[in-house]
Amino acid sequence: GAVVSQHPSWVICKSGTSVKIECRSLDFQATTMFWYRQFPKQSLMLMATSNEGSKATYEQGVEKDKFLINHASLTLSTLTVTSAHPEDSSFYICSPRWIYGYTFGSGTRLTVV
Amino acid sequence: AQTVTQSQPEMSVQEAETVTLSCTYDTSESDYYLFWYKQPPSRQMILVIRQEAYKQQNATENRFSVNFQKAAKSFSLKISDSQLGDAAMYFCAYTGANSKLTFGKGITLSVRP
Repeated sequence: GAVVSQHPSWVICKSGTSVKIECRSLDFQATTMFWYRQFPKQSLMLMATSNEGSKATYEQGVEKDKFLINHASLTLSTLTVTSAHPEDSSFYICSPRWIYGYTFGSGTRLTVV
Repeated sequence: AQTVTQSQPEMSVQEAETVTLSCTYDTSESDYYLFWYKQPPSRQMILVIRQEAYKQQNATENRFSVNFQKAAKSFSLKISDSQLGDAAMYFCAYTGANSKLTFGKGITLSVRP
C-alpha cells in the first residue's frame, strides 16, 4: 500500500515558461499533501501544505503566485511553477499524508535554461 | 517553533561495523513523533524508523534502532552491521500537532568496504 506516483521525474524548460508537476496517490486517499523543494546535498524545505478542495497554505517566503498548487481530489495534487527562471531549478518532492503516516513521491528534477 | 538539529554533516563507517547518527530537537509539545528517513542517491525518501514520544521503549527495525532520550530531546539512530547499501543521506524529522514534518539538515553516511 501507499504507492505514490510523481511525474515527470525530470524536466527541462525554457526561462519564462510554466511547468506542471503531478502527484498521485495510487492506492490510498491523501488527507493532506505537502510539497517540498530540495537543493543538492541540502534538506527538504516545505513549500506548502494543501488539503483536498481547499486553498494551499504557503510557507513564509514562498511565492504563491509562482508556485500554484491544486489539490482537486484525495488522490491528485499538482504543483505548477509559473514563469520559471533558472533560480527555480531544483528537486521538487510531493508528500501525501494518509492515516498511517507520510509517504513521498520519487521527486521531479526541474532544470530551467 | 520546533527545530531539529543534526550537527554532523558527514560520517563514515566500515562495512559490518556499527555507527550512530545524532539528532537533537527542540519543542514545547508533549505529544509528537520522531522519524529517521534515508535518502539514497535515487533521492527517494525511505522511512527507516519511527518513534512515538509517549512510548518509553526505543523503536527497533532489524539492524536499525534508536536511542530516544525525551528529557534530553535527543533521538539518535544506531545502524548495526553496516552494509554498502546503507550509504545515503539520513534525515531526522519531527512532527507534532500541526502535522508538518520538520527535517534536520541531514547527514551523509558513507560505508567503506
